[in-house]
Amino acid sequence: QQQVKQSPQSLIVQKGGISIINCAYENTAFDYFPWYQQFPGKGPALLIAIRPDVSEKKEGRFTISFNKSAKQFSLHIMDSQPGDSATYFCAASKDGGATNKLIFGTGTLLAVQP
Amino acid sequence: GAGVSQTPSNKVTEKGKYVELRCDPISGHTALYWYRQSLGQGPEFLIYFQGTGAADDSGLPNDRFFAVRPEGSVSTLKIQRTERGDSAVYLCASSLNEGGSPLHFGNGTRLTVT
Repeated sequence: QQQVKQSPQSLIVQKGGISIINCAYENTAFDYFPWYQQFPGKGPALLIAIRPDVSEKKEGRFTISFNKSAKQFSLHIMDSQPGDSATYFCAASKDGGATNKLIFGTGTLLAVQP
Repeated sequence: GAGVSQTPSNKVTEKGKYVELRCDPISGHTALYWYRQSLGQGPEFLIYFQGTGAADDSGLPNDRFFAVRPEGSVSTLKIQRTERGDSAVYLCASSLNEGGSPLHFGNGTRLTVT
């Protein structure tokens, strides 16, 4: 049972465009939703995270939108740059458990064309 | 400052052999996690330590897998009687505590079982 579903599997965006990656979850006990960025040969790096008490969080060019009723959250990358080309993973963890005991999505390979 | 260090970066072993994978967390981080990432997938939780004790080992796939953290710093993931299906990147991560502080990943050990 896949508890966090991520789409699309891959994405091509022109430089300066907006990249949008979506995730849906099933377990209403989840209360921490981070996004990770991973470059080839490297470990994932935390990009931005949100908790369900807010609907949006912005850090620089990266924004998380969160829809609790729909059990969905998304990552928006504004003014996408070639250096943003990487694999992005959404994740979730449960209240009452270890915050960093994460369930990851399957990843989105983003390519930003110059 | 130094990040999470994992050694070796690559390990090739024959089916049936025993392997040990080492993780040096960020100094002062009390929580340490092991994840496994198969090709084209998101990381999967294996086990986490708070200090010296394994707080949650529910992700270990079977009793061939074992991990220790005897002094609350360095951790070793041990795999007995390796199988080809164990081939993956094994990621270690640490966080300052288990209270929601960010998770920092190492670059992983790529294990190949032939």
